[in-house]
Amino acid sequence: SQQGEEDPQALSIQEGENATMNCSYKTSINNLQWYRQNSGRGLVHLILIRSNEREKHSGRLRVTLDTSKKSSSLLITASRAADTASYFCATDTDTGRRALTFGSGTRLQVQP
Amino acid sequence: EADIYQTPRYLVIGTGKKITLECSQTMGHDKMYWYQQDPGMELHLIHYSYGVNSTEKGDLSSESTVSRIRTEHFPLTLESARPSHTSQYLCASSGAAWGVPLHFGNGTRLTVT
Repeated sequence: SQQGEEDPQALSIQEGENATMNCSYKTSINNLQWYRQNSGRGLVHLILIRSNEREKHSGRLRVTLDTSKKSSSLLITASRAADTASYFCATDTDTGRRALTFGSGTRLQVQP
Repeated sequence: EADIYQTPRYLVIGTGKKITLECSQTMGHDKMYWYQQDPGMELHLIHYSYGVNSTEKGDLSSESTVSRIRTEHFPLTLESARPSHTSQYLCASSGAAWGVPLHFGNGTRLTVT
């Protein structure tokens, strides 16, 4: 089963509203990363939060990490139509091979 | 934008054909990866490499093979394509340190008829 699972699977909001996406994972991590994917394209890295960090900001993005609950959230404030994309969390762990494991993604639609 | 390139961008091919998906990066990254992704779905790691002459299979069973003869090049080959191979294939690379962000190419969308 996937290390990372995201919730909701799909989210539709109006421009200017905030969008919150959640990610849960199963095993302990070194860090958790969020990526964005526009339709038909590759993924683009957004932000990385380490296991000893609780919150991180980058522009309109705010990421939180709760290692006790094995969960993270991504908040996009004041959303724009251009934020329409799929968002994936990915975890880096020490178990087995060192390669990121991606969640199932949240498809965000921002209506203009 | 990261300097990682995948060709072809789209490929439609008949069952039984041999195909090679190309991936090249100009960043000198040691680590390279292939992920398979069905439209709108999660990514599955199928192959990875930590350096030249190093390749490993990932989580998802795949009938493809890879090679890493040069640092910048990580091609993926399907000896005999089948309709079940229809998917998007994403190549990624990262620097020497562990756990650093991946740089992705734009993918190859493969359709096997």
